[in-house]
Amino acid sequence: AQSVTQPDIHITVSEGASLELRCNYSYGATPYLFWYVQSPGQGLQLLLKYFSGDTLVQGIKGFEAEFKRSQSSFNLRKPSVHWSDAAEYFCAVGPGGNEKLTFGTGTRLTIIP
Amino acid sequence: GAVVSQHPSWVICKSGTSVKIECRSLDFQATTMFWYRQFPKQSLMLMATSNEGSKATYEQGVEKDKFLINHASLTLSTLTVTSAHPEDSSFYICSARDQGRGGNEQFFGPGTRLTVL
Repeated sequence: AQSVTQPDIHITVSEGASLELRCNYSYGATPYLFWYVQSPGQGLQLLLKYFSGDTLVQGIKGFEAEFKRSQSSFNLRKPSVHWSDAAEYFCAVGPGGNEKLTFGTGTRLTIIP
Repeated sequence: GAVVSQHPSWVICKSGTSVKIECRSLDFQATTMFWYRQFPKQSLMLMATSNEGSKATYEQGVEKDKFLINHASLTLSTLTVTSAHPEDSSFYICSARDQGRGGNEQFFGPGTRLTVL
């Protein structure tokens, strides 16, 4: 069965600092991997996705993620966070982007001035 | 493009009543839509997969008679919570698969907050 682990429940970073959110997955085949962001009371917005090819994926809002098969990881990074990045971030895995997704428990990001 | 809407955005109802939530793909056709449930400060849990013109596929542990799903057209799926109880209070989110884009991505609606008194 597929699963996703986001080890960090809550992360606090200073505005302008770099960010890395961890995601580890368990999947029997080549996974489709996603990062979504959710603001309070809102739906999910796709930040980026990995299907195949280059293991470093660029997304919206200056985010990037790197797929490391050997570590079963798909960590999200941003070199300099902005106060507007404060939100909940979810990593998800699936057999395809059009199939049912399994989500991690999420990481809440707080930005301090 | 690829916009998914949900209606209502929030609803409060009395225990024992039924509530219908709509999920619409506004600018694309969606043969498949997904319904998720999210409890406060928790992750999304898939409830069911809704296929246009056929019965929905429910995840294990989800009561199909309580959460009725209808996907009557390529742009609309509805979730009806029947005889709602306080424990059904949650944030319900739908997503839709865009066939026209090769179907490799789901687009999520903004969610519906259900509170059962």
